[in-house]
Amino acid sequence: NAGVTQTPKFRVLKTGQSMTLLCAQDMNHEYMYWYRQDPGMGLRLIHYSVGEGTTAKGEVPDGYNVSRLKKQNFLLGLESAAPSQTSVYFCASSFPRRGINEQFFGPGTRLTVL
Amino acid sequence: GENVEQHPSTLSVQEGDSAVIKCTYSDSASNYFPWYKQELGKRPQLIIDIRSNVGEKKDQRIAVTLNKTAKHFSLHITETQPEDSAVYFCAASIYGAGGTSYGKLTFGQGTILTVHP
Repeated sequence: NAGVTQTPKFRVLKTGQSMTLLCAQDMNHEYMYWYRQDPGMGLRLIHYSVGEGTTAKGEVPDGYNVSRLKKQNFLLGLESAAPSQTSVYFCASSFPRRGINEQFFGPGTRLTVL
Repeated sequence: GENVEQHPSTLSVQEGDSAVIKCTYSDSASNYFPWYKQELGKRPQLIIDIRSNVGEKKDQRIAVTLNKTAKHFSLHITETQPEDSAVYFCAASIYGAGGTSYGKLTFGQGTILTVHP
């Protein structure tokens, strides 16, 4: 099993450009999440999904959109990139049960917005 | 919403010493507390977790303690080794009946642990 994968691994954008980050998981997990990681700020939840066709806002959703058309994929879109969106983006998936929710993370995407 | 504070932000120890990282949370309804380890350039990985109905949990050289009254929990690493050097994140979550919290985790800011040989 590949677990959680993300594409691309690196990307450089100019201000105002758009892009989509793809997350895929082969563990049949219901829940998927997008986080951003900035120095000294930990991991902050952008959007999440509790199943195919559902999405919801997290802690820092502004400037991002998501879609979950298939259970195994969770897409994160930036419509008009800004320098403040320079960050490392992690996708995660989980199958909460019995009070435990281990989240499995992808390898991350390093995004730079110039 | 939930707020998680983590201290210290950096921790430097000698190999063989113990390391302790502390976190406080704000929402008394939180009942699931995982710890993640992130090596340089790698993804975060779960190393240990604890539920609110348990006060302490151990797994070899690592242990986590929880004080619900004070709303804080701690990670203890004994006999540290250079390969323990990494960033450690605590997190808190509300795991309600039927999973209505959707497993959302609120993370602390992270602690950079350096173990010197």
